[in-house]
Amino acid sequence: GAVVSQHPSWVICKSGTSVKIECRSLDFQATTMFWYRQFPKQSLMLMATSNEGSKATYEQGVEKDKFLINHASLTLSTLTVTSAHPEDSSFYICSARDLYTQYFGPGTRLTVL
Amino acid sequence: AQKITQTQPGMFVQEKEAVTLDCTYDTSDPSYGLFWYKQPSSGEMIFLIYQGSYDQQNATEGRYSLNFQKARKSANLVISASQLGDSAMYFCAMTTDSNYQLIWGAGTKLIIKP
Repeated sequence: GAVVSQHPSWVICKSGTSVKIECRSLDFQATTMFWYRQFPKQSLMLMATSNEGSKATYEQGVEKDKFLINHASLTLSTLTVTSAHPEDSSFYICSARDLYTQYFGPGTRLTVL
Repeated sequence: AQKITQTQPGMFVQEKEAVTLDCTYDTSDPSYGLFWYKQPSSGEMIFLIYQGSYDQQNATEGRYSLNFQKARKSANLVISASQLGDSAMYFCAMTTDSNYQLIWGAGTKLIIKP
């Protein structure tokens, strides 16, 4: 199957700093990538849909200025958590769409102190 | 409304037994896709199997098969000869032609006992 990488896999940062998470499709081109957030024992919550070369589409309740998404190429999308606070601590996972299937990255555990 | 329902929060199964994870869906869109993903404790979401609404045969991938019953709007995942490594959360999900975003079920936690 298609492979999606995500970097870093785990990050701890201080409150008020920004964190960038990269999502790459390694063996296919993805015009659409998705960013999810997952709380413990819950299913994935879609944050935004990222389209190459255009602005991301955010789900209701997700702050655009806090979660900056850039989809610069067909294989790379980035999520930047700006001015992170402890409540932003979570598991963030990206996916890339290949035809009709979404393939997921391994996820990034963010802990904000 | 589009919805995925997984009614089993958790299951214990003896190793080597077959296991069926339930999934029902609701959509008025005639064209849709059904997916099963596995999420082990590491957190990675692993794609297992896909069934298209117009596919005549049930999808199979190795030990995984999808029991697709269109009239009942069910898409149960069957794992044959379960292994200890099958212990994980399993999510059923759906996309439709009008909404390519994945709609997720709540998940089923499967634990395989030795």
